[in-house]
Amino acid sequence: AQSVTQLDSQVPVFEEAPVELRCNYSSSVSVYLFWYVQYPNQGLQLLLKYLSGSTLVKGINGFEAEFNKSQTSFHLRKPSVHISDTAEYFCAVSGPLRGYQKVTFGTGTKLQVIP
Amino acid sequence: NAGVTQTPKFQVLKTGQSMTLQCAQDMNHNSMYWYRQDPGMGLRLIYYSASEGTTDKGEVPNGYNVSRLNKREFSLRLESAAPSQTSVYFCASRDSINSPLHFGNGTRLTVT
Repeated sequence: AQSVTQLDSQVPVFEEAPVELRCNYSSSVSVYLFWYVQYPNQGLQLLLKYLSGSTLVKGINGFEAEFNKSQTSFHLRKPSVHISDTAEYFCAVSGPLRGYQKVTFGTGTKLQVIP
Repeated sequence: NAGVTQTPKFQVLKTGQSMTLQCAQDMNHNSMYWYRQDPGMGLRLIYYSASEGTTDKGEVPNGYNVSRLNKREFSLRLESAAPSQTSVYFCASRDSINSPLHFGNGTRLTVT
């Protein structure tokens, strides 16, 4: 079984400040990790993904995330946020093995960028 | 490209009524998924189809059935709707196990 924990349900941050959204996962096998963003009244869009290789992954809109196997974390970061980054962000995990093809999501973190 | 198309966009049902949510993708993806989204609970997997001809239960399958009609289409059926099924339903697809999901725009269902 696999699971994802996003401890912060809401994160307020001032415009142009840095932000980190936390994600921890649990799995008994190797994993693929994803971050998605959801703007109001829309479906989810992929921000970035980690499959293997370099632990620092860069995505769209200036976001990046670092895979840390020892801490089972995949935190999302942006050095300077814009108003347009206000949205809900979801971390997700799936696996390469048969039986791990489900994609499991965390409960989401609402990022509120304050002008 | 249309991507993943869900119909209808909105639906109101009375308790006990039935309905089918339709989903179609035009990306030739192998796997398709149905999720529900509720405030504070993220996305919870209802059912998925890893490949044409197979379906498997997710975290919250009770009260739902699915049909993988062909490679393009994956429908979700509520046989007897309950207020607890009021939610936003998302269909998604992906090509392979290391691919990201592509989402539709959702169906907002209210059961009174």
